[in-house]
Amino acid sequence: ETGVTQSPTHLIKTRGQQVTLRCSSQSGHNTVSWYQQALGQGPQFIFQYYREEENGRGNFPPRFSGLQFPNYSSELNVNALELDDSALYLCASSLGRGSGADTQYFGPGTRLTVL
Amino acid sequence: SQQGEEDPQALSIQEGENATMNCSYKTSINNLQWYRQNSGRGLVHLILIRSNEREKHSGRLRVTLDTSKKSSSLLITASRAADTASYFCATEPYSSASKIIFGSGTRLSIRP
Repeated sequence: ETGVTQSPTHLIKTRGQQVTLRCSSQSGHNTVSWYQQALGQGPQFIFQYYREEENGRGNFPPRFSGLQFPNYSSELNVNALELDDSALYLCASSLGRGSGADTQYFGPGTRLTVL
Repeated sequence: SQQGEEDPQALSIQEGENATMNCSYKTSINNLQWYRQNSGRGLVHLILIRSNEREKHSGRLRVTLDTSKKSSSLLITASRAADTASYFCATEPYSSASKIIFGSGTRLSIRP
């Protein structure tokens, strides 16, 4: 176990709806990253937060947004859901400032299905 | 788009044999990491190799990095049934620190 938790485990939404996914990082980990993993693919980087500020963003539209809170929890919000948003969403926490040399500790993921 | 591409996409070997997976990437990197993922669950960090390193070992794992060829390999020796998983390489591009790019993965199956 990595000490990183995510909720909910599974979620079903319909196209056009909004969704909020939650992550609880390891205590003391100031950086959280979010990834989208389509079936049979590798994780795609969505964005990263360091001490509540966005610290990098992948090629995702603005309807993907996030928040990080002082208590080591974070959220991923997705507006106007599309069918292609169906995926496993992973969060990962790390101790440093978000360098690629930091070890990331992944949560078990939230499986989102958009109908 | 994927920075890294693993090869092969799928690998099935007998328990006790060695498994070799390769990763190729497109742009210069600061470092490269390997992760494993069991059946659609979270990823587990295996090993990090920096751009100025050529080889690293960790238990039954051996990783090599050839920056001139933009490629890395992961060798698992004396494979076990519990090694069955998907394996991903992840790179930090030199031009985009903090942005980690994963490859498409190799699905490894170990036959008992």
